[in-house]
Amino acid sequence: GQNIDQPTEMTATEGAIVQINCTYQTSGFNGLFWYQQHAGEAPTFLSYNVLDGLEEKGRFSSFLSRSKGYSYLLLKELQMKDSASYLCAVREGSGTYKYIFGTGTRLKVLA
Amino acid sequence: DAGVIQSPRHEVTEMGQEVTLRCKPISGHDYLFWYRQTMMRGLELLIYFNNNVPIDDSGMPEDRFSAKMPNASFSTLKIQPSEPRDSAVYFCASSLNTLTHERQYFGPGTRLTVT
Repeated sequence: GQNIDQPTEMTATEGAIVQINCTYQTSGFNGLFWYQQHAGEAPTFLSYNVLDGLEEKGRFSSFLSRSKGYSYLLLKELQMKDSASYLCAVREGSGTYKYIFGTGTRLKVLA
Repeated sequence: DAGVIQSPRHEVTEMGQEVTLRCKPISGHDYLFWYRQTMMRGLELLIYFNNNVPIDDSGMPEDRFSAKMPNASFSTLKIQPSEPRDSAVYFCASSLNTLTHERQYFGPGTRLTVT
């Protein structure tokens, strides 16, 4: 079956570092995406991994291990505006643009 | 660029009525996606189009749902007849065919409530 697992909620303090994990089991794999979604708004793209390793982009980094079906999103120097849901999504296989999304991790950043 | 445009932003209707949601993708984008988001099931892909042609509609819940893309700048998602369990936020997204990675640009969504 197809499954993407993320923690439902996380809480962290302003200025801290937080890691949001995502594990997946899909019938194919051709890339993993992270999106940020503020309450009542649309998802916006954060990062993309297709090869194993770490991709860094400012305060945000994303890691992928294809053999383990595992990814994480690392947020550094947390700010209040980082309070949002973070969605992990897998694109299934080459030749298709079918995406499977996790239910998201709601992150609360406290002052 | 105006981004992906969806209308209406909110829709409240009674069970049994027909509902039509509209989407205008970003100009020049090859792919258009319709998603449904609920608390229980998260974001689910319903259907996607490439160059106005439906490619995969395996996510469409049942025959009550239909989607069309008559041209590159317009798509509709229709529910007939609507049921309370269709209440959700429906997002339209578009992307380029970059042959590398393709980020999706989401519209603001339509919040549908069926009473």
